[in-house]
Amino acid sequence: ELKVEQNPLFLSMQEGKNYTIYCNYSTTSDRLYWYRQDPGKSLESLFVLLSNGAVKQEGRLMASLDTKARLSTLHITAAVHDLSATYFCAVDRRNTGNQFYFGTGTSLTVIP
Amino acid sequence: KAGVTQTPRYLIKTRGQQVTLSCSPISGHRSVSWYQQTPGQGLQFLFEYFSETQRNKGNFPGRFSGRQFSNSRSEMNVSTLELGDSALYLCASSLWTGNTEAFFGQGTRLTVV
Repeated sequence: ELKVEQNPLFLSMQEGKNYTIYCNYSTTSDRLYWYRQDPGKSLESLFVLLSNGAVKQEGRLMASLDTKARLSTLHITAAVHDLSATYFCAVDRRNTGNQFYFGTGTSLTVIP
Repeated sequence: KAGVTQTPRYLIKTRGQQVTLSCSPISGHRSVSWYQQTPGQGLQFLFEYFSETQRNKGNFPGRFSGRQFSNSRSEMNVSTLELGDSALYLCASSLWTGNTEAFFGQGTRLTVV
C-alpha cells in the first residue's frame, strides 16, 4: 500500500522565519498535491505538482517535487500569522481514479 | 462558480442507526470522491463515483456505501453506526476521473453517541 509521510508533524515558528515541510511517499506516483486546512474547515487546494522537477510558488509558499527521490517540499518564506493551519500532501497513482493517499499533516503555528 | 456543497453540516446519531450524507459537486464535474477524517487515522479514502459507477473503493466495511445520480450528485450511507464512525466526512469534486485535481466541500461532521 502506498504510504505518505510528512515531517514535522507539528511546527511552531516565529513570524519572519523560513521553514520547510517534507513529504515522502513510498511508491511511484506522478502527481503530488498540497492542501491547507484551517481548524474545522475543509481542504483548500494549494498546489498540484505534475512532474519531476516541478516547482510552484504562491505568495510565501513554494512547493517542489522530486519523483526520483519520492520527495516533495513545501517551503515557507518569511512566515506570517495567517499561514497558521494544517498542511497536507497527497499523492495518487495511475489508473486508480481519484484515490488520494494523504500524509499525516503538519500543524503549523506562526507566533507573532 | 459554486463550490462543492455538502449537507448536512452537522449530524448526531445513535449507535445502530443509519445515516445518509449528500454531496453536490462543482457544476460540470463528474467525479465525486468521499473521505473520512479522524484524529487517529487521518484522511482515508472511502470511494469514488464517476458517471454513476463506483470507480474505486477504500478499505472500509460494507456498512459504508454510496451512489451517484445522473446529475453527478452523490450520497453516501453508513448503516449500523458505531462510535468509531464519528468523523468529518469530506466530499471531493473532480472534473474527470484519474489523476485530476480535487476540490473539497466543507464536510459533514458526524457524531455517533
